[in-house]
Amino acid sequence: DVKVTQSSRYLVKRTGEKVFLECVQDMDHENMFWYRQDPGLGLRLIYFSYDVKMKEKGDIPEGYSVSREKKERFSLILESASTNQTSMYLCASRAGGHSNQPQHFGDGTRLSIL
Amino acid sequence: DQQVKQNSPSLSVQEGRISILNCDYTNSMFDYFLWYKKYPAEGPTFLISISSIKDKNEDGRFTVFLNKSAKHLSLHIVPSQPGDSAVYFCAATAYGNNRLAFGKGNQVVVIP
Repeated sequence: DVKVTQSSRYLVKRTGEKVFLECVQDMDHENMFWYRQDPGLGLRLIYFSYDVKMKEKGDIPEGYSVSREKKERFSLILESASTNQTSMYLCASRAGGHSNQPQHFGDGTRLSIL
Repeated sequence: DQQVKQNSPSLSVQEGRISILNCDYTNSMFDYFLWYKKYPAEGPTFLISISSIKDKNEDGRFTVFLNKSAKHLSLHIVPSQPGDSAVYFCAATAYGNNRLAFGKGNQVVVIP
């Protein structure tokens, strides 16, 4: 089974802090993703990475950056946290290649910015 | 512009009956479709998928139907069980594309 592990289930930070969310997958997947989920808005893609050191912006990248130094790890960084970044953050991974493969998700990090 | 739409945000169904969730898409390039199930405070779990070369895929109590001409797919859960109470997301992608387009989700409540 694919295992995607997010480092924290719940996190509380203050406005202006730099926040790191970590995600690790154990299936040697090429692709990794960061989403946020908000009520009534579904899942929105922030950034994704298709290889080490490679990244692409998703639909809502503003206020975020990412880092992928190793294949198994994908970090989401909130450069200067703001209250509108309070949300559920979800990491996912997917095998590479051209075959249809689902994305597999971690359990999420509930982030509150005070 | 929302490419995947799930109407009727919530559904209540009696245990043992059928649950039917609907999903419409606008992008004719989409050729792979997925359903995810999500419990509160957990990440989405992959449930079932279908590629555009098929019109039906079954996995136990879950069946997904695809109508390409109508750009419509549906998920049937039969019989529904209380553990099926969750939010269900429809998602779609095109061949070779890493990104999934998600619907906003349907809340299903199965009444014992």
